[in-house]
Amino acid sequence: DIQMTQSPSSLSASVGDRVTITCRASQSIRSYLNWYQQKPGKAPKLLISDASTLRSGVPSRFSGSGSETDFTLTISNLRPEDFATYYCQQSSTAGPFGQGTKVEIK
Amino acid sequence: VQLLESGGGVVQPGGSLRLSCTASGFMFSSYAMNWVRQTPGKGLECVSAISGSGGGPDYADSVRGRFTISRDNSKNTLYLQMNSLRADDTGVYYCVKSTRWLQFDYWGQGTLVTVPS
Repeated sequence: DIQMTQSPSSLSASVGDRVTITCRASQSIRSYLNWYQQKPGKAPKLLISDASTLRSGVPSRFSGSGSETDFTLTISNLRPEDFATYYCQQSSTAGPFGQGTKVEIK
Repeated sequence: VQLLESGGGVVQPGGSLRLSCTASGFMFSSYAMNWVRQTPGKGLECVSAISGSGGGPDYADSVRGRFTISRDNSKNTLYLQMNSLRADDTGVYYCVKSTRWLQFDYWGQGTLVTVPS
């Protein structure tokens, strides 16, 4: 399996803050990297595909970058509805997602 | 889009279980489908994927050789045959539709599989 390592595992932030989450793949995955948001009791929601393509309906304060092994999810101007857990996932082969980053209210 | 899983339950270590997922609201045969599980130990993991035509199945290392994914496009149904189950297979199993290979857009509500240790 390709292993995905996210950091940090959790962070505290305030409304209006800029938040950055990183994800590292154990081998090159080109741009086959997706980001998901999960809220308690709900299924994950696809936010960004192919490292940087914002999915339809996702606010532009979300952005993604990176290639090969190193990727970043940035949330600018954090809103109350953004407090959730975020996962990276490689779409090269079946296998584990990143372990998740829980974004909590400071 | 609706995805309705069934077949979860409690099974002893070494036992077998077959999960089913009935799909509606989209052209089932046109899309790859997946089983993704969420477990206390490993979090989210795509355990298996299959193309719209039934080809190219892919498996996570943790289940390869024990789990088999299949589909019946005439019944709009996805399956996961799980053999030699272990305690670390315990978790919620989701049927997930792909928008593209291994890119997930719609999820079922999940079915719980419990393998006591």
